[in-house]
Amino acid sequence: GAGVSQSPRYKVAKRGQDVALRCDPISGHVSLFWYQQALGQGPEFLTYFQNEAQLDKSGLPSDRFFAERPEGSVSTLKIQRTQQEDSAVYLCASSSRTSQILYGYTFGSGTRLTVV
Amino acid sequence: SQKIEQNSEALNIQEGKTATLTCNYTNYSPAYLQWYRQDPGRGPVFLLLIRENEKEKRKERLKVTFDTTLKQSLFHITASQPADSATYLCAHPLGRDDKIIFGKGTRLHILP
Repeated sequence: GAGVSQSPRYKVAKRGQDVALRCDPISGHVSLFWYQQALGQGPEFLTYFQNEAQLDKSGLPSDRFFAERPEGSVSTLKIQRTQQEDSAVYLCASSSRTSQILYGYTFGSGTRLTVV
Repeated sequence: SQKIEQNSEALNIQEGKTATLTCNYTNYSPAYLQWYRQDPGRGPVFLLLIRENEKEKRKERLKVTFDTTLKQSLFHITASQPADSATYLCAHPLGRDDKIIFGKGTRLHILP
């Protein structure tokens, strides 16, 4: 596609509910990243894929967070038993190995998760 | 641990003047720095990259400098316009990984 697409755009979850956030990266982009952005803060790294391999998940806040990219394209970030502190915007970005240096990451518009 | 510091307080600049934003990094010497713009409700958009061996990079009304001695990058917008109002984020990679870390960003308001 022309850009990185994320869905849903907004999600309201009751505390304890499981949620799944979807990211469609730019076609052909090898690398895919998930970031969490709290209000007034910069994006915080969560996890990173190269094709279907999850190379780094050091930023995932707890074992309630899980990400996958089974076929090396679409990725899903799942949060189990959501807590109020999980409320944030979740950003997905993609890049090709060669374009990352010259053109940076391409971000989606994010999913705003509100846990009530 | 690696850290990027940006003045997170809002910066108000009169239209037509030059806006200068500061990015300081600690405990690490990145091979390059990136600057992004983020508008409310949108994801960051890549603007410029400057490598460690480059002192200055320009793109239209934008200029970025990189001082590896001071561990600092300055981001300038000349002839600023109200449409330049946004949050500007500084970022750099961690080691050989493709992943990058971001500062908190600086909110810029260009006053008409």
